[in-house]
Amino acid sequence: DSGVTQTPKHLITATGQRVTLRCSPRSGDLSVYWYQQSLDQGLQFLIHYYNGEERAKGNILERFSAQQFPDLHSELNLSSLELGDSALYFCASSVLLSGGRNSPLHFGNGTRLTVT
Amino acid sequence: GESVGLHLPTLSVQEGDNSIINCAYSNSASDYFIWYKQESGKGPQFIIDIRSNMDKRQGQRVTVLLNKTVKHLSLQIAATQPGDSAVYFCAENGGSGYALNFGKGTSLLVTP
Repeated sequence: DSGVTQTPKHLITATGQRVTLRCSPRSGDLSVYWYQQSLDQGLQFLIHYYNGEERAKGNILERFSAQQFPDLHSELNLSSLELGDSALYFCASSVLLSGGRNSPLHFGNGTRLTVT
Repeated sequence: GESVGLHLPTLSVQEGDNSIINCAYSNSASDYFIWYKQESGKGPQFIIDIRSNMDKRQGQRVTVLLNKTVKHLSLQIAATQPGDSAVYFCAENGGSGYALNFGKGTSLLVTP
């Protein structure tokens, strides 16, 4: 168990709809990352938050947005959903090491989104 | 853009044998590398990492080798067990930031 919690585990919705995915990071981790995993694109980085502030953006569509709250949990909002948005969405968290060094990302078990 | 790639999409080994999974990266600025294992229905699980100031690091039954000259990374699993069957991903940091860039993955199948 990585200590990262994601809800819901499964989500089925229709095209054009909006959904919110939730993530609770490991205790003590200030960084939260969102990734999308699809069969043809692998694991794609979407966005990184650190202590409530956006730190980096990857291949995140304008229809998608995220935020990190004061209690450090994060939400990923997906709107105007399209069939191609069907994928696994993973949240990961990491600790900040001294000197700004990278540390491992610890992943939750994901939310499987199906857009019909 | 620059990316991480894996040489083989699938690898089949017999139980008890050693496994070697390879990975090539293209960004010479990358200085942090990491291997993950992903089982069906689960998120990627951290196995081992290595920084660019090292060329080898060992863990429990696993060894990661880094060759910066040819931009190559490998994961060696000793005495492979059925529980090692999974998809393995290498990832790197692209030389900046904390997010990781992932390769496509190699599926490891351990046969009895």
